[in-house]
Amino acid sequence: ETGVTQTPRHLVMGMTNKKSLKCEQHLGHNAMYWYKQSAKKPLELMFVYSLEERVENNSVPSRFSPECPNSSHLFLHLHTLQPEDSALYLCASSLVPGSSTDTQYFGPGTRLTVL
Amino acid sequence: QKEVEQNSGPLSVPEGAIASLNCTYSDRGSQSFFWYRQYSGKSPELIMSIYSNGDKEDGRFTAQLNKASQYVSLLIRDSQPSDSATYLCAVNKDGNKLVFGAGTILRVKS
Repeated sequence: ETGVTQTPRHLVMGMTNKKSLKCEQHLGHNAMYWYKQSAKKPLELMFVYSLEERVENNSVPSRFSPECPNSSHLFLHLHTLQPEDSALYLCASSLVPGSSTDTQYFGPGTRLTVL
Repeated sequence: QKEVEQNSGPLSVPEGAIASLNCTYSDRGSQSFFWYRQYSGKSPELIMSIYSNGDKEDGRFTAQLNKASQYVSLLIRDSQPSDSATYLCAVNKDGNKLVFGAGTILRVKS
C-alpha cells in the first residue's frame, strides 16, 4: 500500500448504528487530519492530530469521536449520526505540522450515507 | 466574508486554450497556498503549492501569487478534456489549518 488509504470506501448506516472509519498513511508523516466534504460546500476541517496529539477540534459534534493510536493510523468513530452527516469523509496526512509550507495529501475518502 | 473565495463556475474552455482559475483570500497573514484538483467522486489531488509572490511553473500549470492583492491564480496551458475537474484553492493560515475555497468547476470541451 502507498500513500494514504481509507476504509471502508462506502458506508451506509442507520441513525442508531455505531461504526468506525479507518485511515492509514504510509508516508512517514507526523500529522493526520479528518475533513468533511458535503455537496456544494468547501472542505471542512474536523480534527487534527500532530505526533498523535489532538491539536484541533473544529467544533465538531460529540457524535464524531477521533482516535489516533500512532502516527500512521487515524480512526473516526461514529454514533447516533443524523442524515445531514451524510458526506464524503476525507483523511489527509502531512510531514511537518506547524510549518507554513507543510503540504497535505489526501486519501480516497469514505462516502457515508446516514439513513 | 469567506476566508477563501473562488468563482464556482463552471468555467468552459475549448481544448488547447488557457484556463485561468482565480482565488482570493481574506487573511493577510496567510503564508502558503495550494491548488488541488478533484475529479467527480474522487479525493483532492495536489497540483501545486506556492509561497512567494510571483509565478511558479510546473509543466502546463502556472501558479501566480500576489500577496498585496491577496490573490492567487492557476493557469492551465493547452487545456485537455482530462483537465475537466473541480479545482480547489487552499490557504495555510497557521501551520496546521488548511482553509479551502468551494472550488471552481472547469470543463474543457474537445
